[in-house]
Amino acid sequence: EIVLTQSPGTLSLSPGQRATLSCRASQSVSNYLAWYQQKPGQAPRLLIYDASNRATGIPARFSGSGSGTDFTLTIASLEPEDFAVYYCQQRSNWPRTFGQGTKVEIK
Amino acid sequence: EVQLLESGGGLVQPGGSLRLSCVVSGLTFSSHGMSWVRQAPGKGLEWVSVISGSDGNTYYADSVKGRFTISRDNSKNTLYLQMSSLRAEDTATYYCAKNFLGFGYYFDYWGQGTLVTVSP
Repeated sequence: EIVLTQSPGTLSLSPGQRATLSCRASQSVSNYLAWYQQKPGQAPRLLIYDASNRATGIPARFSGSGSGTDFTLTIASLEPEDFAVYYCQQRSNWPRTFGQGTKVEIK
Repeated sequence: EVQLLESGGGLVQPGGSLRLSCVVSGLTFSSHGMSWVRQAPGKGLEWVSVISGSDGNTYYADSVKGRFTISRDNSKNTLYLQMSSLRAEDTATYYCAKNFLGFGYYFDYWGQGTLVTVSP
């Protein structure tokens, strides 16, 4: 099973600041990685797929990069609605696995 | 508009069984693989199972293999998860999710979730 490790666990930032979230895989997943956003009481929302492709309707301030074992989700300038938990997920191997999440909170 | 609506959650004793359903609308159901993803209270996401659109291909997480069965009825646009030999660690909100880009690749539409609580 591929283990995805996200860091940091919590990111405390102010609106307008840049957020950089990391996801590291226990073995190469090529570019087969996605990012999701989840707000309290809501289902996750797909943001980025195949490492760097924005899903439909996702604002341009969200971008993804990386390949192999190291990936980054960047939020260029935080909006109030971006404070949430973010998960990475790989589709390289079965079983599909998620990272443990990074919480982006208001400082 | 694509909509997924889960039902069937509730309180069940350890060792018991439960069947979850997910009714899907707004798309050609048989054309898409579907998955179940769960989330224990206050915890992260865990992929549970996937089924292909029409040929019945399935995969399971090791944690549920042999206890859970995923199925679908394309004539009713409905996805199922039959859960048996339930354990306390199966307590979670269960989401159904439409597969995106390929069989079990990613998940672009999700239901609102149904809570399963396994407790004496």
